[in-house]
Amino acid sequence: DGGITQSPKYLFRKEGQNVTLSCEQNLNHDAMYWYRQDPGQGLRLIYYSQIVNDFQKGDIAEGYSVSREKKESFPLTVTSAQKNPTAFYLCASRRGQGPYNEQFFGPGTRLTVL
Amino acid sequence: KNQVEQSPQSLIILEGKNCTLQCNYTVSPFSNLRWYKQDTGRGPVSLTIMTFSENTKSNGRYTATLDADTKQSSLHITASQLSDSASYICVVSAEGNKLVFGAGTILRVKS
Repeated sequence: DGGITQSPKYLFRKEGQNVTLSCEQNLNHDAMYWYRQDPGQGLRLIYYSQIVNDFQKGDIAEGYSVSREKKESFPLTVTSAQKNPTAFYLCASRRGQGPYNEQFFGPGTRLTVL
Repeated sequence: KNQVEQSPQSLIILEGKNCTLQCNYTVSPFSNLRWYKQDTGRGPVSLTIMTFSENTKSNGRYTATLDADTKQSSLHITASQLSDSASYICVVSAEGNKLVFGAGTILRVKS
């Protein structure tokens, strides 16, 4: 998984609770990304960060929040405002902004709302 | 609207057989196209990347082709193995490094 770790692997949440998904990389990559994957759909971008202390909304940011206090870490919080949070969440990182630079993905966290 | 469509949605083949997965895209301006392999419950791993000037790219038993004129790509798997069972995702890079993901083709290789 290219030096990217995500935890936990499985996460269960009760409705109304906030939960935080961890993403850490030791690749010294500048950019980090959070995606959501649902069955039968392509990955959708939630948030991304190109440098420390800066991040941008992706296509489906509502109900999610992030922080980028360290280069290695990009945690995602799924808030109670996210109405349908059950999904597989993937974190990725990339070195630089060149169009041919590959995004490396973590192993993912499966979130289930009970 | 930038879109990537893959076919078939799923495919079952016998071990040792070949197969071809399709990807059609309407992404503009086009930068490059990648094929990823995603094992169940894992993150995607890149197989190949092609720019608009490349027609074919191989990675072991995986061969990707690209026709930039018709905006079509294919991934051919030769002599399939049980470990090829996975989802194969076509990803097109658009302007501003934005990635557009296809929904994937789920391949199952049976013994």
